[in-house]
Amino acid sequence: DIVMTQTPLSLSVTPGQPASISCKSSQSLVHSDGKTYLYWYLQKPGQSPQLLLSEVSSRFSGVPDRISGSGSGTEFTLKISRVEAEDVATYYCMQGTRLPLTFGGGTKVEIK
Amino acid sequence: QLQLQESGPGLVKPSETLSLTCTVSGDSISSSSFFWGWIRQPPGKGLEWIGSLYHGRISGVGDTHYNPSLKSRVTMSGDTSKNQISLRFTSVTAADTAVYYCAGQLRGYSYAYVPPPHYWGQGILVTVSS
Repeated sequence: DIVMTQTPLSLSVTPGQPASISCKSSQSLVHSDGKTYLYWYLQKPGQSPQLLLSEVSSRFSGVPDRISGSGSGTEFTLKISRVEAEDVATYYCMQGTRLPLTFGGGTKVEIK
Repeated sequence: QLQLQESGPGLVKPSETLSLTCTVSGDSISSSSFFWGWIRQPPGKGLEWIGSLYHGRISGVGDTHYNPSLKSRVTMSGDTSKNQISLRFTSVTAADTAVYYCAGQLRGYSYAYVPPPHYWGQGILVTVSS
């Protein structure tokens, strides 16, 4: 299985400041079709996960443009340009390049 | 808007079989647009993909994919008359205690083997205990 490792485990951010979450995979996530199937999810307290980004950087419907994704190969980053109160959540990366689908352990974002 | 609702027992005894149902509204489970998946989350922990099922009518699309670590104990199926997806999990132990989510996985986006979960149910907590 591809192991997804997220850092940090938690992050405390002042509103209006940026935040960055790292996700590293144990194998390259570049598929034989040339695409990279790396996704990001957000799970607010007491809620189900929500899909934020597909294929590293494509925003899902309704996701604000202050949330962005980047990276390639085995190293990926989720960035929030200006953290707002509504961003309080646990963020997960997930790979779909190989089965089984596997998730990172999560990064909890809190507001200072 | 697609909606999914999980149902089933909240408490299961060790070694017994867990059966959960996901009722889908907003589209047919036979729609070519979706895979249907189950994901679980132990209390306070991360997410684990259990498996995904395609119940549509496009030939060549793989029917069911399971997580190999769970495959020997898991069966997923669909009931078109009720528009439901079911999960059957045998020989459960305390380690299977988790919130179980049903998900709609939209085929409109590109994917390698199964699409990522796009639409999620609210989840159902299943506790395995005697």
